[in-house]
Amino acid sequence: AQSVTQLGSHVSVSEGALVLLRCNYSSSVPPYLFWYVQYPNQGLQLLLKYTTGATLVKGINGFEAEFKKSETSFHLTKPSAHMSDAAEYFCAVSDRSGYALNFGKGTSLLVTP
Amino acid sequence: NAGVTQTPKFRVLKTGQSMTLLCAQDMNHEYMYWYRQDPGMGLRLIHYSVGEGTTAKGEVPDGYNVSRLKKQNFLLGLESAAPSQTSVYFCASGGQGSADPFDGYTFGSGTRLTVV
Repeated sequence: AQSVTQLGSHVSVSEGALVLLRCNYSSSVPPYLFWYVQYPNQGLQLLLKYTTGATLVKGINGFEAEFKKSETSFHLTKPSAHMSDAAEYFCAVSDRSGYALNFGKGTSLLVTP
Repeated sequence: NAGVTQTPKFRVLKTGQSMTLLCAQDMNHEYMYWYRQDPGMGLRLIHYSVGEGTTAKGEVPDGYNVSRLKKQNFLLGLESAAPSQTSVYFCASGGQGSADPFDGYTFGSGTRLTVV
């Protein structure tokens, strides 16, 4: 079975600072990896995904993530945080034969002025 | 294009009552899912469907039933609601025809259910 661990349930950064949200995965087969964002009282929105090919993946709103097989990681980064980035972020994993995503417990990002 | 629509958006039930949550998608997706979201627990898969007429259990299926009689609809039923089922429920859909189902899910806006 596939699973992800998000390190840090709450992360606080200053506006303009680097955003780094950590995700480590466990999978016995090459995984599909995803990052989703959830704004208050809304559903989840796909930020980016890794399936095959380039290990550095660029997503929406200036976010990117790098798949590192040797470290079993898929950390999410953004060079400069905006106030509008404050939200809950979820990392998710799936294998290539199954049909459903397994989500991490989420990281709440707070951006301070 | 409405995407994924969940009804109702809010509901309060008494213990033992039953209800059905409706999820409708207009993107011709093959795959549909029901998740529940609880504080500190992330999203946990309840049931899913890989096509019309098919359903399968997820991580936390107990106390729930589902049906996928039409491709565009995925119903989640609670036969006898319990306070432990107080949660926010999200429906999602993905995959078009034979395309890669992991092109990314589309989520509904959620149903907030309280069981008292």
